Amino acid sequence: DSGVTQTPKHLITATGQRVTLRCSPRSGDLSVYWYQQSLDQGLQFLIQYYNGEERAKGNILERFSAQQFPDLHSELNLSSLELGDSALYFCASSWSAGTDTEAFFGQGTRLTVV
Amino acid sequence: DAKTTQPNSMESNEEEPVHLPCNHSTISGTDYIHWYRQLPSQGPEYVIHGLTSNVNNRMASLAIAEDRKSSTLILHRATLRDAAVYYCILRDEGYGGSQGNLIFGKGTKLSVKP
Repeated sequence: DSGVTQTPKHLITATGQRVTLRCSPRSGDLSVYWYQQSLDQGLQFLIQYYNGEERAKGNILERFSAQQFPDLHSELNLSSLELGDSALYFCASSWSAGTDTEAFFGQGTRLTVV
Repeated sequence: DAKTTQPNSMESNEEEPVHLPCNHSTISGTDYIHWYRQLPSQGPEYVIHGLTSNVNNRMASLAIAEDRKSSTLILHRATLRDAAVYYCILRDEGYGGSQGNLIFGKGTKLSVKP
């Protein structure tokens, strides 16, 4: 158990809908990362937050947004969902944003868009 | 993003050592070398990281070449549970975009035979 909790574990929704994925980082970790993993794209970095502020942005679509709350949990919002958004979404956390820090990943949320 | 090159796949026998190579000829002086692995149906798991010196932990050893252009992850006695995709990642000090983050490539798929 990495200490990172993601909910829900599975989500099935229809095209055009909006969903929210939740991540609770390990106790004491200030940085949260979101990744998308689909069969054909591998693990894609989406976005990073550090202590409530956006720190880095990767291949995140405009239909997707995220935030980190004062209690450090994070949410990833996916809207106007398309079939191609079906994927595993992972959250990770680390105590700092430094490059010498290890990150701990949750078990992921499997999103299926039908 | 600094790039790494890994073999697509490797095979090992159970209880034998495994040496997973990674080439990173464009590494800069401040890039940390990180290794993660992903077991089937699970989130990525931190294995080890280092900057210049060889590193050991309970999971593995990391041998870094003197010129830092390559590194090797060493699993001292492979078990069936070590069958996973192993990712070698350079994490740099850059800011903006996805710099400074864990950018996953395709990794090496390790198979362990009983």
